[in-house]
Amino acid sequence: DGGITQSPKYLFRKEGQNVTLSCEQNLNHDAMYWYRQDPGQGLRLIYYSQIVNDFQKGDIAEGYSVSREKKESFPLTVTSAQKNPTAFYLCASSGRGSTDTQYFGPGTRLTVL
Amino acid sequence: GQQVMQIPQYQHVQEGEDFTTYCNSSTTLSNIQWYKQRPGGHPVFLIQLVKSGEVKKQKRLTFQFGEAKKNSSLHITATQTTDVGTYFCAGPPSSGNTPLVFGKGTRLSVIA
Repeated sequence: DGGITQSPKYLFRKEGQNVTLSCEQNLNHDAMYWYRQDPGQGLRLIYYSQIVNDFQKGDIAEGYSVSREKKESFPLTVTSAQKNPTAFYLCASSGRGSTDTQYFGPGTRLTVL
Repeated sequence: GQQVMQIPQYQHVQEGEDFTTYCNSSTTLSNIQWYKQRPGGHPVFLIQLVKSGEVKKQKRLTFQFGEAKKNSSLHITATQTTDVGTYFCAGPPSSGNTPLVFGKGTRLSVIA
């Protein structure tokens, strides 16, 4: 069954702790993306990667880090430097081209207490 | 940089009424894509339009791409409660191989 998985669905952390969100895809897509969505808001791009071992900052990369060691995986770390980390985090993947359709995972809702 | 604007931001309709959301780009687009996000869910791809003036239909949904390829619209006929959600348009960047630029979305509420 092809698709994108994100885990966990809900995550709670104490302020000051780093937390890593998982994103895995078996669609054989080259490109992967991380978005942040706040209540009632649109999608804001955090990081993206178009090929293994390479990634680029999006519009709101400060306080976040990523790695792309495998084609299938693109984990996102929310660091303690991120001032307001509570949000809904969406991972997506697509073919390498910028015009390609993006397929989204179910998302992780992070709450920092 | 390139901007993709959507209006309205919110729309509340009675069930059975029609609904339209509009998407405008600051630059000419090679294509436009539409996505739907149900409340609590994730965006799901609906359709892609490529040709100038293109019109595509999916049951009660009609998608149009403007003649100048700078604007698009999504029209829903006789809305149902299942249409509730946020509709996003997205277009490729005007230059470079960077990701799709998403509009902020139009949130549709349907009152039964």
